[in-house]
Amino acid sequence: DTEVTQTPKHLVMGMTNKKSLKCEQHMGHRAMYWYKQKAKKPPELMFVYSYEKLSINESVPSRFSPECPNSSLLNLHLHALQPEDSALYLCASSQVPGAVNGYTFGSGTRLTVV
Amino acid sequence: GENVEQHPSTLSVQEGDSAVIKCTYSDSASNYFPWYKQELGKGPQLIIDIRSNVGEKKDQRIAVTLNKTAKHFSLHITETQPEDSAVYFCAAGRTGNQFYFGTGTSLTVIP
Repeated sequence: DTEVTQTPKHLVMGMTNKKSLKCEQHMGHRAMYWYKQKAKKPPELMFVYSYEKLSINESVPSRFSPECPNSSLLNLHLHALQPEDSALYLCASSQVPGAVNGYTFGSGTRLTVV
Repeated sequence: GENVEQHPSTLSVQEGDSAVIKCTYSDSASNYFPWYKQELGKGPQLIIDIRSNVGEKKDQRIAVTLNKTAKHFSLHITETQPEDSAVYFCAAGRTGNQFYFGTGTSLTVIP
């Protein structure tokens, strides 16, 4: 298995809702990442997990809450989001933190906040 | 942190022609330079990468060149095909650190 699987593919949520994004990989990678990508822009790093511990938080608002329950799974919990949070949320993994080889990205969750 | 600039932002070529995308970076300590292709509705996919101890790398129709002195690197796609149409991102970073994406190039190959 050489994939990063993200669910759901699409999500529409109200500003008062609570939802979660899920990411899974079975490549034995020990670093996992959340990125946010707005239309026609490059992905922007949000969080980095190294060996299931949060190692980087790029000053992301607290309405985004990451969680890494085990080495294969990464969640992003969403609460009280704003319309400007609408974007493609990408999960990625790499063999080890800071691996010289590139990351494997999932196909993303297209989030719309209404 | 690293600052990566990418040009052009859009590129249209006729099928069979070559396409070249150029990037510059600011951090002389950067030693890893991947290129990603992102098709509509999908996540970025690594297509080729190069490390700072290598000047050029080729994989079938794609090649990447690196000039460490000038701090720029380029992606070359030969004999372009319609399925090459996508957004391409360059990136630069250091081992043990995150890498930083360029601003992206939307490539259209006209049949």
